[in-house]
Amino acid sequence: DSGVTQTPKHLITATGQRVTLRCSPRSGDLSVYWYQQSLDQGLQFLIQYYNGEERAKGNILERFSAQQFPDLHSELNLSSLELGDSALYFCASSVAGGSGNTIYFGEGSWLTVV
Amino acid sequence: GENVEQHPSTLSVQEGDSAVIKCTYSDSASNYFPWYKQELGKGPQLIIDIRSNVGEKKDQRIAVTLNKTAKHFSLHITETQPEDSAVYFCAASTIFGQGTELSVKP
Repeated sequence: DSGVTQTPKHLITATGQRVTLRCSPRSGDLSVYWYQQSLDQGLQFLIQYYNGEERAKGNILERFSAQQFPDLHSELNLSSLELGDSALYFCASSVAGGSGNTIYFGEGSWLTVV
Repeated sequence: GENVEQHPSTLSVQEGDSAVIKCTYSDSASNYFPWYKQELGKGPQLIIDIRSNVGEKKDQRIAVTLNKTAKHFSLHITETQPEDSAVYFCAASTIFGQGTELSVKP
C-alpha cells in the first residue's frame, strides 16, 4: 500500500458525460500527479500540482481539468467524455515538487465510457 | 519536452536467466531515473532508481546502469523468478517509457 488513495475504483459512464476522480496523497506529500494509462499509450503524464499550484502540464486535453485543494487532496475532472477516454487513471504523490523526487502511485480509477 | 523510449515491449525468459530492459531519453537536463514494476490490477511500484551523479546501482537481484553521455539507462534482473513477471516502466523524472511486459517461465 503506497498510501495514495483514489476514488472511485471503477466508474462506468456514457459518452458526453462528466466525471470527477478524487485523490488523497500520502501523508506529508505536497505534490500530486495525474497519469492516464490506456492499452496502447502506456503511462501518459497529464498534470502535476504542488501545494495547490499547477507545477507542470503534460498531455492533458482541454476537456480535462484538475485542481489541488488546501488540504492537498486533488480532483481530476473529465468532461464531454468520449469512448477513447476509457482508461485507467492514476494519481501519484511526492514529498516535494522538483523533478528528482520519487513519486508513489495509487491503485488507479478504472473509467469505462460506453 | 522529455521523451523516453523503452525496449523491448515484451520479453520472455526462462526462470533463472537474466533480463535486460533498455531506455533512452531526450532531455540532457534530466537527472532522476526511476524504474517501476506494475502487476496486474495494481499501480506502478518503485523498485529502484538512479540519479545522474551515479553510474550504477544494485539492490539484490536488480541493478540499473546509467550512461549520461549516451542518454540511456538499463535495468538488469538476474536469476529471474516467476514472481518477477510484470510490466516494467522506466522513467526520466515524470515521463515514462512505454513499458516492457516481462514473462518468466518456470
